[in-house]
Amino acid sequence: GEDVEQSLFLSVREGDSSVINCTYTDSSSTYLYWYKQEPGAGLQLLTYIFSNMDMKQDQRLTVLLNKKDKHLSLRIADTQTGDSAIYFCAEASVTGGSYIPTFGRGTSLIVHP
Amino acid sequence: DTEVTQTPKHLVMGMTNKKSLKCEQHMGHRAMYWYKQKAKKPPELMFVYSYEKLSINESVPSRFSPECPNSSLLNLHLHALQPEDSALYLCASSRLGRFDGEAFFGQGTRLTVV
Repeated sequence: GEDVEQSLFLSVREGDSSVINCTYTDSSSTYLYWYKQEPGAGLQLLTYIFSNMDMKQDQRLTVLLNKKDKHLSLRIADTQTGDSAIYFCAEASVTGGSYIPTFGRGTSLIVHP
Repeated sequence: DTEVTQTPKHLVMGMTNKKSLKCEQHMGHRAMYWYKQKAKKPPELMFVYSYEKLSINESVPSRFSPECPNSSLLNLHLHALQPEDSALYLCASSRLGRFDGEAFFGQGTRLTVV
């Protein structure tokens, strides 16, 4: 079955870059996502990448996809204390005609002043 | 407007109560989802509605009953819940019957069963 793995914690200093990594197993994955969840809140869609792309950049966020190694990363440039949250990687592949995402366990990003 | 609105934000209910969670979106999305999230865990899929029809039920107990009255609304009716059903319930929507990029979540309903 599908499996998405993420490291559980990442601690960085304010102003540094953060890199959150994710690996997945389903080779038929078509869309890969990064969501941010702050305490007590829902999931905020940060960005997504289609599986035929290698990279996507959106302001401070850069997503890199290595499809051969099934590795996805999210780089946050100039990390701020407001970036402290849990970051979920998700991959969506076809299940019964629908693209249903499988989520990783989430990486808690802690940003120190 | 990329908003999925869920009400109420918080709900406390007894094990004999009947309550409903509501979800609304006006993005023209034709697929809507219910997820359950326990503390420090990823969201778990419960139901998927595609074009107002139930397309996926992830073996959810019958005390949870989904309803999709129209393409903008999704309800989750709750009856005879157990304390272990306490969780954050998240609604999501996507453009078509698939999580194809535009897939947004609401802020969730924090449910406590006492």
